[in-house]
Amino acid sequence: IAGITQAPTSQILAAGRRMTLRCTQDMRHNAMYWYRQDLGLGLRLIHYSNTAGTTGKGEVPDGYSVSRANTDDFPLTLASAVPSQTSVYFCASSVSAKYNEQFFGPGTRLTVL
Amino acid sequence: SQQGEEDPQALSIQEGENATMNCSYKTSINNLQWYRQNSGRGLVHLILIRSNEREKHSGRLRVTLDTSKKSSSLLITASRAADTASYFCATEVWIQGAQKLVFGQGTRLTINP
Repeated sequence: IAGITQAPTSQILAAGRRMTLRCTQDMRHNAMYWYRQDLGLGLRLIHYSNTAGTTGKGEVPDGYSVSRANTDDFPLTLASAVPSQTSVYFCASSVSAKYNEQFFGPGTRLTVL
Repeated sequence: SQQGEEDPQALSIQEGENATMNCSYKTSINNLQWYRQNSGRGLVHLILIRSNEREKHSGRLRVTLDTSKKSSSLLITASRAADTASYFCATEVWIQGAQKLVFGQGTRLTINP
């Protein structure tokens, strides 16, 4: 692994189903983030983690949950998907939570029908 | 509402010309960052400018920051077809008690050969 990876690349999901988007980084970064990108709205922060074992809510956390059991992995779970969660999801990481550039994964395109 | 707003929303120029994109923001910042996103890809960090800096260069990129006007500009000189992408500014704001990056909606730059 080099950098930050996300899986799956894309997914079509029926409304009401549970879905976990995976994110893994091998840069030993402390901070990780989940964003959604929608046309006309730019990127919006869903959840973040400043360090392993801690998480926090971003701008649009409702309907999503995260966990940070270790440094490398930061999965995002949709407990019961709804069509408004159709979006492109990006995971990112940074060395620390302050003053640092963020490195982005390639994204997951999710469609909820 | 977005902390950072880019202007223009779209810009189309001829290869070799200079491209200027502007970003305005609302609250005091510690730093401002610029990112590039190629179509269908994740964001890539270009440059970070701190609040006590007025100008910064990186290759063909020049970023200025005017904290009195709460604005920044990104200049790409001698543009190339490969510069075609969306460009986002990002500033730090307080979200749920923590400082996080907030992205603007971006400027879509097209370089015509």
